[in-house]
Amino acid sequence: KNEVEQSPQNLTAQEGEFITINCSYSVGISALHWLQQHPGGGIVSLFMLSSGKKKHGRLIATINIQEKHSSLHITASHPRDSAVYICAVAGGGADGLTFGKGTHLIIQP
Amino acid sequence: EPEVTQTPSHQVTQMGQEVILRCVPISNHLYFYWYRQILGQKVEFLVSFYNNEISEKSEIFDDQFSVERPDGSNFTLKIRSTKLEDSAMYFCASSEAANRLAYEQFFGPGTRLTVL
Repeated sequence: KNEVEQSPQNLTAQEGEFITINCSYSVGISALHWLQQHPGGGIVSLFMLSSGKKKHGRLIATINIQEKHSSLHITASHPRDSAVYICAVAGGGADGLTFGKGTHLIIQP
Repeated sequence: EPEVTQTPSHQVTQMGQEVILRCVPISNHLYFYWYRQILGQKVEFLVSFYNNEISEKSEIFDDQFSVERPDGSNFTLKIRSTKLEDSAMYFCASSEAANRLAYEQFFGPGTRLTVL
C-alpha cells in the first residue's frame, strides 16, 4: 500500500511569492496527480506526471521517480491561488488513486 | 468542455435510510470511480467500475455499498442503510482507461451527504 506524504500541511504567503509544495510516496507508481480543491469542495485536476516536468501558466510540477518525490511550484502567487493542493498517486496495479492529506495554501494580498 | 456531473449537490437523510448518489461521467470514458472525503480528512478511494462490473474496491466498500450503471449515461452509488459515519463528500470521477495505465481522472463537483 502506498503512503503519500505532503509538506507543508499549511502555508501562508504574501502575494507574489514563489510557492513550493512537496509530495513523497513509498511505492513505485505509474503516475502522480496534482489536484486543487477549493473551499466549496470541488476537485480540479492540475497535472498528471509520469516523469520529468510539466508547466501550465504559473504552475510547474516536477517528479523524480528514483527518489519517489514530486514538487508543485507556483510562481508569482496570487490570492486566487488560495486552495488545498492535493497530491495523489496511481499504480501498483491499483485502479484507485491514493491521496495525500493536502496542503492548505493561503496567499495574502 | 466535457465534465462529470453529480446530483444531488447535497443530500440529508436519516440514519438507516437508503440513499442513491448519481453521476454522469464524461461520455467517451470507460472507467468510473467513487471516492469519499470525510470532513477534515483526506480523499479515499471506494470503488472502480469498468465494463459493467466492479474492477476494484477498497476495504471501505463493504456490503452496504453498491454501484450500478443503469443506463448508458448514469453511474450510481447506493448506500443501503446509512450510518452517521457515512456523512462525507462523495466524488465521482471518470477516465478514458484504467488509472493504473496513467490516465487523467476527471472529478465531479461532489455530493455532500449528511446523515442525521
